[in-house]
Amino acid sequence: QQPVQSPQAVILREGEDAVINCSSSKALYSVHWYRQKHGEAPVFLMILLKGGEQKGHDKISASFNEKKQQSSLYLTASQLSYSGTYFCGTALTGYALNFGKGTSLLVTP
Amino acid sequence: DTGVSQNPRHKITKRGQNVTFRCDPISEHNRLYWYRQTLGQGPEFLTYFQNEAQLEKSRLLSDRFSAERPKGSFSTLEIQRTEQGDSAMYLCASSLGDHPQHFGDGTRLSIL
Repeated sequence: QQPVQSPQAVILREGEDAVINCSSSKALYSVHWYRQKHGEAPVFLMILLKGGEQKGHDKISASFNEKKQQSSLYLTASQLSYSGTYFCGTALTGYALNFGKGTSLLVTP
Repeated sequence: DTGVSQNPRHKITKRGQNVTFRCDPISEHNRLYWYRQTLGQGPEFLTYFQNEAQLEKSRLLSDRFSAERPKGSFSTLEIQRTEQGDSAMYLCASSLGDHPQHFGDGTRLSIL
């Protein structure tokens, strides 16, 4: 049930863009994206429900392809504060989230 | 909104001892979740409550793990007869229905 994330790690220069992918072998109810910095709690970024709707705020957006059971997180014009580990959490029903192994993102000056 | 609060932040105990962690959710949230996170992995779902009812507990790691939410407010997670493999970060999250889950800072458990 664990979703597969790619890439495992990304290093960016400030201002560059990145895409993080999340795929599931099972039909999903929703996809949740979180960012976690070392020693801190995961912080909610956005949720995508069935329907392929793309959501976003500021320079971070995400999409959900229901046919492929894939979601992508788009980070544009990256900032130093974007560094951390990004997790997608997938829900087969309305409650339990199954998290991938995470994508480590480092933004350098 | 004071956020999800977890206590203690760190717990060090000897193998075989029992430990209990507390989670205070965001006040208006009716759902409360427990996850475990080990190094280099994403959080792993353990159990969840809707109000005081524990609606999913099949994914608790063994019968040494139990959770309660007696009055539908705070929750406790207990691990009995701790083992080395129980060392991990234990995260609590809460939500209002299907709305996004918000996590606490976790309790880091170390087994000597």
